[in-house]
Amino acid sequence: AQKVTQAQTEISVVEKEDVTLDCVYETRDTTYYLFWYKQPPSGELVFLIRRNSFDEQNEISGRYSWNFQKSTSSFNFTITASQVVDSAVYFCALSDGGANSKLTFGKGITLSVRP
Amino acid sequence: NAGVTQTPKFQVLKTGQSMTLQCAQDMNHEYMSWYRQDPGMGLRLIHYSVGAGITDQGEVPNGYNVSRSTTEDFPLRLLSAAPSQTSVYFCASRRGPHQPQHFGDGTRLSIL
Repeated sequence: AQKVTQAQTEISVVEKEDVTLDCVYETRDTTYYLFWYKQPPSGELVFLIRRNSFDEQNEISGRYSWNFQKSTSSFNFTITASQVVDSAVYFCALSDGGANSKLTFGKGITLSVRP
Repeated sequence: NAGVTQTPKFQVLKTGQSMTLQCAQDMNHEYMSWYRQDPGMGLRLIHYSVGAGITDQGEVPNGYNVSRSTTEDFPLRLLSAAPSQTSVYFCASRRGPHQPQHFGDGTRLSIL
């Protein structure tokens, strides 16, 4: 069975601080995919990134960066120089490599960035 | 390009009533799913479909039915509403099994 653990439930930072959101996953599959989604206060779900299990390169997109480490089954997300607009719930998710793959979500991390 | 459209956005039901949450996508995606979001629980998969005529159960299917007669539409039926089904429901579609999900804006459902 697949499982995604986001141990941090709520994080509060002051604007311009760096913040890392942790994601630990469990799967028996050798092929799998990891995702991060953002849910701002308006409620919609926004896709941020997808990473497959064979690509351990870290990724940077502007102020966002992701650190994928298979050795620790983690896929952590760092926001550099946080801004108030980063305030949202962030979900990590995992899908297996099968044709009928289902997406398993973590419980989410609520990030509050204070001015 | 509308993406994934859910209707209604809000609904209040009485216990025992039935209703259908509508979901339509215009991206010709084969894969569609229904999730419910409850505080502190993340998103949990209710039912999903990998193409017209093919559906399967997710993590929390009890009390819900689905059908997929066309590629575009994937309605979710509550057979006899219960207060435990009070939640925010999201429909999603994706191009392939490992592609990112495109989500609708959600339906906020309250069962009294």
